[in-house]
Amino acid sequence: DAGVTQSPTHLIKTRGQQVTLRCSPKSGHDTVSWYQQALGQGPQFIFQYYEEEERQRGNFPDRFSGHQFPNYSSELNVNALLLGDSALYLCASSLPTGYYEQYFGPGTRLTVT
Amino acid sequence: SQQGEEDPQALSIQEGENATMNCSYKTSINNLQWYRQNSGRGLVHLILIRSNEREKHSGRLRVTLDTSKKSSSLLITASRAADTASYFCATDEDGGSQGNLIFGKGTKLSVKP
Repeated sequence: DAGVTQSPTHLIKTRGQQVTLRCSPKSGHDTVSWYQQALGQGPQFIFQYYEEEERQRGNFPDRFSGHQFPNYSSELNVNALLLGDSALYLCASSLPTGYYEQYFGPGTRLTVT
Repeated sequence: SQQGEEDPQALSIQEGENATMNCSYKTSINNLQWYRQNSGRGLVHLILIRSNEREKHSGRLRVTLDTSKKSSSLLITASRAADTASYFCATDEDGGSQGNLIFGKGTKLSVKP
C-alpha cells in the first residue's frame, strides 16, 4: 500500500518564477492538505482540498493556489516566488473529517535564490 | 499562527532513559496528535488522542491529555538512539471539523548511545 508521494524532492527556483509541486495521496484517502515548514518551525497550514474544491485555507496570499484532480492527487502552485517562500512543502492526506490522523509525504524542499 | 507550544524546545538524554515532552494549546479541540520528524523530512504520525480521552498508549509511547489545562504530554520510555528526532503536537479546532492541523514549533530530542 503506497503512502503519500510527492514530487519533486528538491527544487531550486529564482525569485519571480513560478513553481508547481505534486502530491499523490495514500490509497483510500480523498482529502489532501498542504503545509509549509520553514527551517526550525512547525508546519503551517496552506489549504485543503476535498472533492476537487478548496475547502479551507490558512493565512497565505493568493500567490499560493492549488488543484485537486478526480483521482484525488493534488498540485500546489506558487507564483511570483519570493526568497521567503524557501521552505519544505508537505502534503498530507486523510479521510474527509477532522477525526482522523493525517499521513504526510516526504516533502519537497524548495529553495528560492 | 501557532496553536500548540511544545516544551522543552530541546532535550538531550542517554539511551535507556525516558523522555517527556509537553504541549500546550489555546482553543477547544476535537483531538490532539503527536508527530515525529527526522532531519527535515516528512512527518510520521505517532498517536492521536481524542478530546474525551485522558490517556493513550502505543508501544513505548504514552500520551496524556488534560483539556481543562489545555495541555498534553508525550512520554517515550526506554529511549533508543533511533528516537532522535523532532516531535510536534498538532491540534485541530473544535468546530473546525475539516481537520486542518495547527502545529507547535516542536521539541528536538537527542538520544545519545
